[in-house]
Amino acid sequence: SAVISQKPSRDICQRGTSLTIQCQVDSQVTMMFWYRQQPGQSLTLIATANQGSEATYESGFVIDKFPISRPNLTFSTLTVSNMSPEDSSIYLCSVRDRTKNIQYFGAGTRLSVL
Amino acid sequence: ILNVEQSPQSLHVQEGDSTNFTCSFPSSNFYALHWYRWETAKSPEALFVMTLNGDEKKKGRISATLNTKEGYSYLYIKGSQPEDSATYLCAFMDDYKLSFGAGTTVTVRA
Repeated sequence: SAVISQKPSRDICQRGTSLTIQCQVDSQVTMMFWYRQQPGQSLTLIATANQGSEATYESGFVIDKFPISRPNLTFSTLTVSNMSPEDSSIYLCSVRDRTKNIQYFGAGTRLSVL
Repeated sequence: ILNVEQSPQSLHVQEGDSTNFTCSFPSSNFYALHWYRWETAKSPEALFVMTLNGDEKKKGRISATLNTKEGYSYLYIKGSQPEDSATYLCAFMDDYKLSFGAGTTVTVRA
């Protein structure tokens, strides 16, 4: 199994500011995924981050709003830019064990934007 | 966007009682169906990965069934305990991407 450390675990931010969320994995992985869960909604995939290439964003998510870095095979960051109250969500990073077809998650970042 | 529905949204169970809830998903382009348990302030934890029609999987008091032809899966909790209180998520996998339902939140009352 993979152990994922995600930080911060929670934050309260002001409108118009940006927050960078960090995700550290205890093993090398090719693909890392970033998800968001807005209140009362499903976990929604924001983007897939591959090391050494641009992240692939899902429909409705853009790089200017959610820039992602993937400098090596164990680390990634997601930035939530120019935040508004609608960005208040739980953000999770995730990796997949392709041999077992299991996905592992960090504990999430609970973001509130005032 | 794939439509993965879970019902009910929440339920309350008396300790010792058994319960079940459903996940419905598209019956085409099926690759796998995942179940996760998500406790507050913790990471979602994988319970089952199901790939074959008619599959039944069990982990302790929790079990799941899969019907890929009609597009549904049931998750059962036998003899519920307070530690079973969590949100249970199902996720449909087609090719490489997981599409999640909104979850069923189970509260077990002592």
